[in-house]
Amino acid sequence: QSALTQPASVSGSPGQSITISCTGSSSDIGSYSLVSWYQQHPGKAPKLIIYEGSKCPSGVSNRFSGSKSGNTASLTISGLQPEDEADYYCCSYAGSPTSYVFGSGTKLTVL
Amino acid sequence: QVQLVQSGAEVTKPGASVKVSCKTSGYTFTSYYVHWVRQAPGQGLEWVGIIHPAGGTTDYARNLQGRVAMTRDTSTSTVYMEMSSLRSDDTAMYYCGTEVPNTGGVDYWGQGTLVTVSS
Repeated sequence: QSALTQPASVSGSPGQSITISCTGSSSDIGSYSLVSWYQQHPGKAPKLIIYEGSKCPSGVSNRFSGSKSGNTASLTISGLQPEDEADYYCCSYAGSPTSYVFGSGTKLTVL
Repeated sequence: QVQLVQSGAEVTKPGASVKVSCKTSGYTFTSYYVHWVRQAPGQGLEWVGIIHPAGGTTDYARNLQGRVAMTRDTSTSTVYMEMSSLRSDDTAMYYCGTEVPNTGGVDYWGQGTLVTVSS
C-alpha cells in the first residue's frame, strides 16, 4: 500500500486560509469515511485535529476543517496563526489487510 | 486523564529483536484500540499496527507482517510491540496511541520510544 499523496509544502500569511489535499484511491479514501488529520511540531508526538473526515476533537480550534470528495480528502485551516506552522499528515482506513495508510506529509510555513 | 507512558530508548543490533511497552491509564483499558506508528529520522509517519485490547486481536502493516507482534496485559493495562529481525531502516521513533473504536482517529499519544538499530 503506497502512502497517500500530499503536497510537500504549502505556505500562507497570518489571517489567510490554506487547504492541504490528500489523494488516495478507491481502496482507501474513496471507500471509507475514516480519514483523519494530524498536526506535528518538531520533536513532538502527532496531534489529532480531524477524525471521521470532518469532525473536530474537543479542544481543537474550529479553524481546522476537513472534507472529502471521491478519492481526495482536504484539510482547510482558516485564519492562519504563527503556531499553525507544523507538519500535517492525513491518514485513511484502507480495509483489511492494509488497515491504515498515512499521507506523505505537508510542511506548512506561515510567512 | 488519559496517559500513555512508553518504555525508554533502545539501541540494538541488526538481526536482534526489541520489545517496547506502552502503559495506559485514565480510562477503561479494553474500551480503546491501541495503534503503533513509527517515524524514521526526518521522515513521515508510518502505520505499524493495531491491537484491540478487549480480545487481543491484531492487524499489522503488510510490509511488517511476520516481524511485528503486538500483545497486551490487561492486569497492568499495558500494550507491547515486539519487532524481530531488525534492520537499520527500522531505526525510528515508535509511538503508541489510542483510538475510540471506529472513529479512525488516534487521539491520545505516548511520548515515543526511539529505537536505534546499529552494528
